[in-house]
Amino acid sequence: SQQGEEDPQALSIQEGENATMNCSYKTSINNLQWYRQNSGRGLVHLILIRSNEREKHSGRLRVTLDTSKKSSSLLITASRAADTASYFCATDASGTYKYIFGTGTRLKVLA
Amino acid sequence: IAGITQAPTSQILAAGRRMTLRCTQDMRHNAMYWYRQDLGLGLRLIHYSNTAGTTGKGEVPDGYSVSRANTDDFPLTLASAVPSQTSVYFCASSEHASERQYFGPGTRLTVL
Repeated sequence: SQQGEEDPQALSIQEGENATMNCSYKTSINNLQWYRQNSGRGLVHLILIRSNEREKHSGRLRVTLDTSKKSSSLLITASRAADTASYFCATDASGTYKYIFGTGTRLKVLA
Repeated sequence: IAGITQAPTSQILAAGRRMTLRCTQDMRHNAMYWYRQDLGLGLRLIHYSNTAGTTGKGEVPDGYSVSRANTDDFPLTLASAVPSQTSVYFCASSEHASERQYFGPGTRLTVL
């Protein structure tokens, strides 16, 4: 079973718009990570947020974490065509060190 | 260039054959992971190793085995391949467990 579930499954926006994707998970965690995957390639780490953090920024990325709701969101501001990719959240259930990935959000940014 | 490499890039395999997918990292990371990615299912953890000499089972370990004889290498073996093991396999590493992971380029495996 999947620990993390992203929504929406697919998202299509115009260049310059903001993109928001959400991740829900089931158990308590040590941290939550977001990754990007371009078609057919390996995953690239974007950002890690620890369970005691509520918000984190990296460039045009903003991640929030609500442990009471067991959910996280990834916001990409001022999107570019190069942001077109699949985005995955990954969580490690506390005490296990085993990461569970969600099914991903496919983002398409139209130029 | 430092990083994580996988071999082969792709492979077509007859059912019942034994196959070892290779993974090597030169970052001296303690933790390593094997995932499979199937369309619509995201990545699923097969096996992991938090440090050389130790391994653990992930979500979908059946039909796969791993070993971690040293820090750098983490081979994944399919003892007797079946068509349901057709997938893209990714190896990853992190300096310690529960930290950011660095992914290899993947191995596309087809079992006929």
